[in-house]
Amino acid sequence: NAGVTQTPKFQVLKTGQSMTLQCAQDMNHNSMYWYRQDPGMGLRLIYYSASEGTTDKGEVPNGYNVSRLNKREFSLRLESAAPSQTSVYFCASSLQDTDTQYFGPGTRLTVL
Amino acid sequence: GDSVTQMEGPVTLSEEAFLTINCTYTATGYPSLFWYVQYPGEGLQLLLKATKADDKGSNKGFEATYRKETTSFHLEKGSVQVSDSAVYFCALSDPGTGGFKTIFGAGTRLFVKA
Repeated sequence: NAGVTQTPKFQVLKTGQSMTLQCAQDMNHNSMYWYRQDPGMGLRLIYYSASEGTTDKGEVPNGYNVSRLNKREFSLRLESAAPSQTSVYFCASSLQDTDTQYFGPGTRLTVL
Repeated sequence: GDSVTQMEGPVTLSEEAFLTINCTYTATGYPSLFWYVQYPGEGLQLLLKATKADDKGSNKGFEATYRKETTSFHLEKGSVQVSDSAVYFCALSDPGTGGFKTIFGAGTRLFVKA
């Protein structure tokens, strides 16, 4: 049982480059989330999807877009990366949007 | 709006010491309360939870009691081990709110010395 998987694990970008972070869950969960975690700081919600077909902005959505491709997959896109987007990105999922969240291992992104 | 406040870290303890990490919350509805743990280099994972007032969540020797009268959910462990060194996050989920319903605290880093 894989749970929540994220790819890639590590990525280095130059300013202005674009990339997509992939996330998939195999627990038949309805809700999925993208967070960023910066050193010494807690989690900040970027975007979430309460159910398949819906997406909503979280606390820090600027510079990001998301796609809920199907029930399993929820991707995060950086169209034009900036050094301020250097962070660790976590995807999570839950059965409903008030339930326990299950986290992936994270993607460590550096923007030069 | 809803919020979660937890004690600032880092907290440094010797092995076998007693641990308390304070967490208080504000909520408009009747939230569920959670403690998550993050070990170095990993994502968060659920440690314990409580869904209604006076419930006690417990796991791996950790406990927390949902206290509605003091709006608190303090994490305790009687005897910590080096392997408990991690960052601990208090969180609430409130079905009574619009928008995203889960709020995380800022996290408390725990160091346990041998």
